[in-house]
Amino acid sequence: GAVVSQHPSRVICKSGTSVKIECRSLDFQATTMFWYRQFPKQSLMLMATSNEGSKATYEQGVEKDKFLINHASLTLSTLTVTSAHPEDSSFYICSAGTHLNYGYTFGSGTRLTVV
Amino acid sequence: DQQVKQNSPSLSVQEGRISILNCDYTNSMFDYFLWYKKYPAEGPTFLISISSIKDKNEDGRFTVFLNKSAKHLSLHIVPSQPGDSAVYFCAASAMNYGGSQGNLIFGKGTKLSVKP
Repeated sequence: GAVVSQHPSRVICKSGTSVKIECRSLDFQATTMFWYRQFPKQSLMLMATSNEGSKATYEQGVEKDKFLINHASLTLSTLTVTSAHPEDSSFYICSAGTHLNYGYTFGSGTRLTVV
Repeated sequence: DQQVKQNSPSLSVQEGRISILNCDYTNSMFDYFLWYKKYPAEGPTFLISISSIKDKNEDGRFTVFLNKSAKHLSLHIVPSQPGDSAVYFCAASAMNYGGSQGNLIFGKGTKLSVKP
């Protein structure tokens, strides 16, 4: 079945630094990738949608200059949290899909802690 | 405004009994519904889905029921096992104008605890 690999699984960084999270579709070409954020005891909130080769579409309230998304190939999307602050600490999850399986396969998530 | 609601934040069930997780939605355009299971610090794992043209879908111990008129769906797990203890998310999507399925909208989840 479709497998999505997400790295790193957890990262601790200092305030003001940038962190890159990778999301790879291992056995299929993902035309669309989604990035979610989950706060404690809350649902998964969609941050942005990216289609290969084009700019990401960000949800309302998500700063595109802070959360840089690159979907340069059909198997790789990256989320870069720039100038991270403690309030960016969260669990970030990607999902990838094709027009047949529209983003319903999730990565394992990344726990980001900004200190 | 929450389009997908899981009103029970937690549910505790005895092993061997039935677990029933409920989900309500408000958007009548939703036509595809999914249930995910999530352990702490892991990504959601797909469990079962149902299209709006059906009212029931079954896969092993898991059955999803859809009541379109009530805009309600439920996940039944029987018999419940301790390994089923996790957070369960209900999600919904609608078909885009281009014919592809739209973004997933998630409920807030229900934490299921199955006691031995």
